[in-house]
Amino acid sequence: DAKTTQPTSMDCAEGRAANLPCNHSTISGNEYVYWYRQIHSQGPQYIIHGLKNNETNEMASLIITEDRKSSTLILPHATLRDTAVYYCIVRVAQGGSQGNLIFGKGTKLSVKP
Amino acid sequence: DAGVTQSPTHLIKTRGQQVTLRCSPKSGHDTVSWYQQALGQGPQFIFQYYEEEERQRGNFPDRFSGHQFPNYSSELNVNALLLGDSALYLCASSLGGFNRPQHFGDGTRLSIL
Repeated sequence: DAKTTQPTSMDCAEGRAANLPCNHSTISGNEYVYWYRQIHSQGPQYIIHGLKNNETNEMASLIITEDRKSSTLILPHATLRDTAVYYCIVRVAQGGSQGNLIFGKGTKLSVKP
Repeated sequence: DAGVTQSPTHLIKTRGQQVTLRCSPKSGHDTVSWYQQALGQGPQFIFQYYEEEERQRGNFPDRFSGHQFPNYSSELNVNALLLGDSALYLCASSLGGFNRPQHFGDGTRLSIL
């Protein structure tokens, strides 16, 4: 079973920041938080991941709370092309053997003009 | 730089038949994972191959088998197809080792009649 809880759906106005929350209250010390998104008819696209520090890349920012029990994915300026299902995943990563990804149902983000 | 490629994109089979799906990983990647995604659900992990061996397996019956070739490409085989095997089959590749993101192809849509 997925170790994360996400809202089923969210709306965001085009050009505004989209903030997608995720709860992972049972996360362990060696588990990372990963975010993927899936646009209709495509495979999931990797966005960002982190352990305990906040992370930023060209796509998004990831804010992880100090107790690591929740996180927020931030898309700073949402566009219509950001409409997708966003998955928050807790993943064990061990040297030499990669943990698989356990997907939940994700958050359906709709960006509106 | 080609990403993960899967073939065929669509396939129709009948119950009881066998099917082989193919995956070429992203250049430089040596680990391949397979996922099954039913309509309206998140992807479910089937198995992972590294160094031509199955390293991890999800909760799927033995009808699902795989192979990885020396060039890191991979096949997923499903025997005795059931109606419930109708799904999008996704291949993801990554570079083996600690904490590497998986990158997905756009999948093969398998329909069982």
